[in-house]
Amino acid sequence: EVQLVESGGGLVQPGGCLRLSCAVSGFIFSDHYMDWVRQAPGKGLEWVARSRNKANNYTTEYAASVKGRFTISRDDSKNSLDLQMNSLKTEDTAVYYCRRVVVSTSNYDYWGQGALVTVSS
Amino acid sequence: DIQMTQSPSSLSASVGDRVTITCRASQDIGNYLTWFQQKPGKAPRSLIYTVSTLQSGVPSRFSGSGSGTDFALTISSLQPEDSAVYYCQQSESYPITFGGGTKVEIK
Repeated sequence: EVQLVESGGGLVQPGGCLRLSCAVSGFIFSDHYMDWVRQAPGKGLEWVARSRNKANNYTTEYAASVKGRFTISRDDSKNSLDLQMNSLKTEDTAVYYCRRVVVSTSNYDYWGQGALVTVSS
Repeated sequence: DIQMTQSPSSLSASVGDRVTITCRASQDIGNYLTWFQQKPGKAPRSLIYTVSTLQSGVPSRFSGSGSGTDFALTISSLQPEDSAVYYCQQSESYPITFGGGTKVEIK
């Protein structure tokens, strides 16, 4: 059974940092690209970042709103995807989801349950 | 960035109705169009990818169509469990972008 489980959410002050993790099981993690997508309270979905697989040199992509502040990384030996979030702003408050990407078919078939990040003083 | 415009933003329909949601891209996105369904408090669920391919386990009353810049999600016979928000997404180029969502309610 495929599972993606996020952890690490919580309350942080503006300017602070937080690290989210996504623990993956049930598929060959190293074969897949992975994304982070977020959703502010009562709002729509916003793509945040992408990690390509080893075959594509683990290269990354970021939304302009987080570039330079957030870093996506992965550890294939631990089946884990991370999102390091620095210089957090109140507008980063959202539920953060990790999701699997099947590049060959442009399919986004499995998502985690989400981790809430609240940036507030 | 490619803008994705969904319409309507909300609709109310009866059980058994045929419902269509449209999604327009600001430029040609080929077939890099995915539809998601999201229920309150839950993660999004993939319904259709590459415009018209039904995700495994998704009921056949859902279908997708379109090409280039204009796309549609159709529910052929609306069921009570289809009450949700629906999003389109383009992945033709970065940044990946979503439509604003369409809230479907059951009368």
